[in-house]
Amino acid sequence: AQSVSQHNHHVILSEAASLELGCNYSYGGTVNLFWYVQYPGQHLQLLLKYFSGDPLVKGIKGFEAEFIKSKFSFNLRKPSVQWSDTAEYFCAVAGTNAGKSTFGDGTTLTVKP
Amino acid sequence: DTAVSQTPKYLVTQMGNDKSIKCEQNLGHDTMYWYKQDSKKFLKIMFSYNNKELIINETVPNRFSPKSPDKAHLNLHINSLELGDSAVYFCASSNLLGYEQYFGPGTRLTVT
Repeated sequence: AQSVSQHNHHVILSEAASLELGCNYSYGGTVNLFWYVQYPGQHLQLLLKYFSGDPLVKGIKGFEAEFIKSKFSFNLRKPSVQWSDTAEYFCAVAGTNAGKSTFGDGTTLTVKP
Repeated sequence: DTAVSQTPKYLVTQMGNDKSIKCEQNLGHDTMYWYKQDSKKFLKIMFSYNNKELIINETVPNRFSPKSPDKAHLNLHINSLELGDSAVYFCASSNLLGYEQYFGPGTRLTVT
């Protein structure tokens, strides 16, 4: 069965600090990978996705993620966070053969002004 | 024009009642989902339909029954509501199973 592990449950940063949120997955095949963001009181929105090709993918709002196949990881990064990045971040994985998506437990990011 | 819409946005009801939540997507997607998000923000898939056919049914109590009258709609009916059903329920859709999902605004269900 596939699973997703997000190591950081709650991250607190000051504005302009760099961000890296960890995501590791377990799945016995090729995968599609996603990061979603949920701003306070809102629904989940797609930040970025990886299907194939360049393992470094860029998303909206300056976020990027790197797929490292050998480590089964898909970490999310941003060089300089803003107060408006305060949100819940979810990593998700799906098998490429029309598999269902499995979400991690989420990481709460709090950015202090 | 909202891509994935849900009604109602808030639902407050008493234990033992039956309630329904409706979901509609205008993206032309074939696959729709219901998720439950608890107070700790954990997101759990409940059901998934592909072109009106149930394809994912996680270990959800029989009191929850989804219905898809057509591929643009996926409704959730809950019988005999319990306190533990209090949560935010999100509907989502995707082009295919395993592709990026588009979420609705959520329905906050409170059972008293």
